[in-house]
Amino acid sequence: EAGVAQSPRYKIIEKRQSVAFWCNPISGHATLYWYQQILGQGPKLLIQFQNNGVVDDSQLPKDRFSAERLKGVDSTLKIQPAKLEDSAVYLCASSLGPGRGYEQYFGPGTRLTVT
Amino acid sequence: QQQVKQSPQSLIVQKGGISIINCAYENTAFDYFPWYQQFPGKGPALLIAIRPDVSEKKEGRFTISFNKSAKQFSLHIMDSQPGDSATYFCAARYTGTASKLTFGTGTRLQVTL
Repeated sequence: EAGVAQSPRYKIIEKRQSVAFWCNPISGHATLYWYQQILGQGPKLLIQFQNNGVVDDSQLPKDRFSAERLKGVDSTLKIQPAKLEDSAVYLCASSLGPGRGYEQYFGPGTRLTVT
Repeated sequence: QQQVKQSPQSLIVQKGGISIINCAYENTAFDYFPWYQQFPGKGPALLIAIRPDVSEKKEGRFTISFNKSAKQFSLHIMDSQPGDSATYFCAARYTGTASKLTFGTGTRLQVTL
């Protein structure tokens, strides 16, 4: 079974530029999560999708971050404009979903450096 | 507000020794407590998990001890091996919010020869 795929793996941008990350969850997984992991900290949930609907985006900085999950499969996370404090690893995870399984499987992450 | 506190921040253990990582939580609504293992350049992977109606769970060399009254839980790694060197995160899930996880700050474990 293929795992959660993410791209790119690394990205370096200047502040005020925009960037987008892509995630392909495990096939059949209804729930998709985006986490931000700052160096030396645990992952922090940014947004959670159930199929193509948003379940929780309470910690998403909506003035600069946006995410979508069209057709309930792949998802993109965008930052525009980026700030220095956005430097982090962005992790995507997926799970089967309510009634089927809550275990989250994580992708390798995208390491973003904002200079 | 940090709802899951983890200690120590780093840990060095000799091969064959016992590694112990502790976590404390505040919110009694948490109903699921997993531990994740993360190697450099990789995403976290579920290691072992426990529910609050159980005081201990063991899987191979990994054991979770859970103290509901103290709102604490810990990970014990018996016979620690160099391959166990990684960062370990405890986490907790809220009741009624599907699978939203709140993570601790992580413990960087190094197992020396």
